[in-house]
Amino acid sequence: QKEVEQNSGPLSVPEGAIASLNCTYSDRGSQSFFWYRQYSGKSPELIMSIYSNGDKEDGRFTAQLNKASQYVSLLIRDSQPSDSATYLCAVRYSFNKFYFGSGTKLNVKP
Amino acid sequence: DVKVTQSSRYLVKRTGEKVFLECVQDMDHENMFWYRQDPGLGLRLIYFSYDVKMKEKGDIPEGYSVSREKKERFSLILESASTNQTSMYLCASNGQGNTDTQYFGPGTRLTVL
Repeated sequence: QKEVEQNSGPLSVPEGAIASLNCTYSDRGSQSFFWYRQYSGKSPELIMSIYSNGDKEDGRFTAQLNKASQYVSLLIRDSQPSDSATYLCAVRYSFNKFYFGSGTKLNVKP
Repeated sequence: DVKVTQSSRYLVKRTGEKVFLECVQDMDHENMFWYRQDPGLGLRLIYFSYDVKMKEKGDIPEGYSVSREKKERFSLILESASTNQTSMYLCASNGQGNTDTQYFGPGTRLTVL
């Protein structure tokens, strides 16, 4: 069984602060990594994907990948109340199988 | 934009009933997936399909079957619904590329009484 671990939270940050979300995975054969945002009662929507070591930035979001440490993170700069949601880390293994963490709930307080 | 649709947003069924959940995608994706999502357990893969009439078991296939007769449509079947199958069911699809992410449908909240 592939493991994808996330802290369930809730993670509370004030509006305008940086939110840092973390994820570890168990299999070194992992190929691709994704962050999804899920609002309550809704389906997951893709925020970021990352495939190689280092940082990838998209607007207020930065994904960081360290394959040696089997660690992927998501930074949200200038957090807004609308960012309040559950963030799911997903890892793609061989033959198109994805494993998801149970998610970190983020609360951004105005 | 990728569009994945599911036949129902909410469904209430009785124990022992046969339940059909349908998913349709409009992006000509080869791969389609069925997950269930439960609090604290995250998303768990039930079945996936990589081509018409092809299917692979996921991590929790017991009590479920699937059908893929057309490329755009993937159905999940609960042969005899039980209360422990009360859950959010999510369909997803993606292409064959190594970097192809999954796109999710809106989900079906199934309650089995």
